Amino acid sequence: KQEVTQIPAALSVPEGENLVLNCSFTDSAIYNLQWFRQDPGKGLTSLLLIQSSQREQTSGRLNASLDKSSGRSTLYIAASQPGDSATYLCAVRPGYGGSQGNLIFGKGTKLSVKP
Amino acid sequence: EAGVVQSPRYKIIEKKQPVAFWCNPISGHNTLYWYRQNLGQGPELLIRYENEEAVDDSQLPKDRFSAERLKGVDSTLKIQPAELGDSAVYLCASSLDVPYEQYFGPGTRLTVT
Repeated sequence: KQEVTQIPAALSVPEGENLVLNCSFTDSAIYNLQWFRQDPGKGLTSLLLIQSSQREQTSGRLNASLDKSSGRSTLYIAASQPGDSATYLCAVRPGYGGSQGNLIFGKGTKLSVKP
Repeated sequence: EAGVVQSPRYKIIEKKQPVAFWCNPISGHNTLYWYRQNLGQGPELLIRYENEEAVDDSQLPKDRFSAERLKGVDSTLKIQPAELGDSAVYLCASSLDVPYEQYFGPGTRLTVT
């Protein structure tokens, strides 16, 4: 059974720091991996999607990497800003023989960027 | 382009009462998902539709939960009767086929007293 773990559960950094959020998964047979952001009381906003054949994706100050063999993904945030404060969720979509399963989420990392 | 729309945003009911949530996916998205998110947890899938067909409802508590997606567009999730443990945020998401990138609505926060 696929399990997704995000460490740390919470992170507090001063404004301007570069930071890395970690995601690990137990089964390397994935179709893709998606990073989301969730603000308090809101739904999830898709940040980046990495296909299983890709190693990384970039969007603005965000860079996500994927290492299937080790079951790890990282989300790198450059020059953090107070507006980046939110919970970041990692989710994997299992893939078996060409079929696709449902997203399995981690519990998230709550990021606080202090001015 | 309009995103995923959900209503209501908040609902407070007493236990044993019925409740319904509505979702309108992004136009053209054939796959629709209902998730439940408890505090401090990631979302967990309740049911997935591809067009009008429920292709995965293995996590839906069928004794009290029901869902429908008429004409392959809007969807309704119902709970009857609600229990205290049903208090959570109910999220709707939609996606196209490949690459199955999911887009979420704002959710409905349900409180059962």
